[in-house]
Amino acid sequence: DAGVIQSPRHEVTEMGQEVTLRCKPISGHNSLFWYRQTMMRGLELLIYFNNNVPIDDSGMPEDRFSAKMPNASFSTLKIQPSEPRDSAVYFCASSLGDRGSYEQYFGPGTRLTVT
Amino acid sequence: SQQGEEDPQALSIQEGENATMNCSYKTSINNLQWYRQNSGRGLVHLILIRSNEREKHSGRLRVTLDTSKKSSSLLITASRAADTASYFCAANNNDMRFGAGTRLTVKP
Repeated sequence: DAGVIQSPRHEVTEMGQEVTLRCKPISGHNSLFWYRQTMMRGLELLIYFNNNVPIDDSGMPEDRFSAKMPNASFSTLKIQPSEPRDSAVYFCASSLGDRGSYEQYFGPGTRLTVT
Repeated sequence: SQQGEEDPQALSIQEGENATMNCSYKTSINNLQWYRQNSGRGLVHLILIRSNEREKHSGRLRVTLDTSKKSSSLLITASRAADTASYFCAANNNDMRFGAGTRLTVKP
């Protein structure tokens, strides 16, 4: 298996633009997580899906952020409009089973820079 | 939410020495997990220890869990320069969050 795939790996955009990050989880995994990592705030859980359904989105910073999982093999995290404080590394992870019951497999991350 | 808190924040040792990192949490858990993150990369799972287990080994890694003290430790024996990374614990009680991590530097 190729592992969790994320695209793009790097994204540089101007403030106000829409940004879409993509994730393909490991086949057969039914839980998917989006995280954001910064030096100041560490690794933050943004949203957790189980069987394509959002279970916990309490970490989504504000309405500018939205996430979807239209099927078991694809998820997107969208920021509209983007702001400089959104600059961070965004990770997608997947796991077999419910949150925390099994280990999570992380993708390589998308480094987002908003100027 | 349940969040592991690692200690120390940073640790610097010489190659060949052992490294010990600690994790504390607040409520009862189902399991506790340790992860490693190399600079610029995603987290990699190391060990999962369940609440009814006290110790677990994987190669040069040894994890202990003391549920009475709500703490866990990760021991890396005979460290190598390649072990330089950040190490995170995540305590799970159906809501798993990562702590700030311990930054380990192993000097050759």
